[in-house]
Amino acid sequence: DTGVSQDPRHKITKRGQNVTFRCDPISEHNRLYWYRQTLGQGPEFLTYFQNEAQLEKSRLLSDRFSAERPKGSFSTLEIQRTEQGDSAMYLCASSIRQGANYGYTFGSGTRLTVV
Amino acid sequence: KQEVTQIPAALSVPEGENLVLNCSFTDSAIYNLQWFRQDPGKGLTSLLLIQSSQREQTSGRLNASLDKSSGRSTLYIAASQPGDSATYLCAVRPGLTGGGNKLTFGTGTQLKVEL
Repeated sequence: DTGVSQDPRHKITKRGQNVTFRCDPISEHNRLYWYRQTLGQGPEFLTYFQNEAQLEKSRLLSDRFSAERPKGSFSTLEIQRTEQGDSAMYLCASSIRQGANYGYTFGSGTRLTVV
Repeated sequence: KQEVTQIPAALSVPEGENLVLNCSFTDSAIYNLQWFRQDPGKGLTSLLLIQSSQREQTSGRLNASLDKSSGRSTLYIAASQPGDSATYLCAVRPGLTGGGNKLTFGTGTQLKVEL
């Protein structure tokens, strides 16, 4: 499978617990992005990495959220002390820079439900 | 701040009909525009990518056009089929002055093609 893989597909957690999601991008893609999508809305940007460097973070990414990409390959997104408002689909995407115009490939997402 | 609007929010058509989905954006300084398809509870599948210098792109029964100066794109679906039922999202990638590495999405058009 040469697409973007996300794990787990679904996660149900109790409020206050920590959760961690994983994203494996397409192997030759050096850029990796996290987005969050709530019901009926389009995805919203959270953060992006170029190789192992986290270059941009949205204001949506509160201090309870942390993302890493330690070796420039897979990435993890951790949410600490989850709240019900964190319930959403978390989408990962990757891309390779080819001049100024490149498209994004998205994974299937991780659906988080905080109860 | 870039804002992306998609009209209509929902559309129901009989099988075989040709249809047009609309996307408008407020800041014309974009690098490209990408159309995605999203099935319920799933991730995003890229359909077409139009570079800022292009006017249209075609893939099978899909044709996307871009009028950057007026901030508009359309996705034309010919001879619609029940399998086309999904939510269609457009996303713009801004130029460097607008934060060139994150997509801004519309809220989508939910399409249902009936037998």
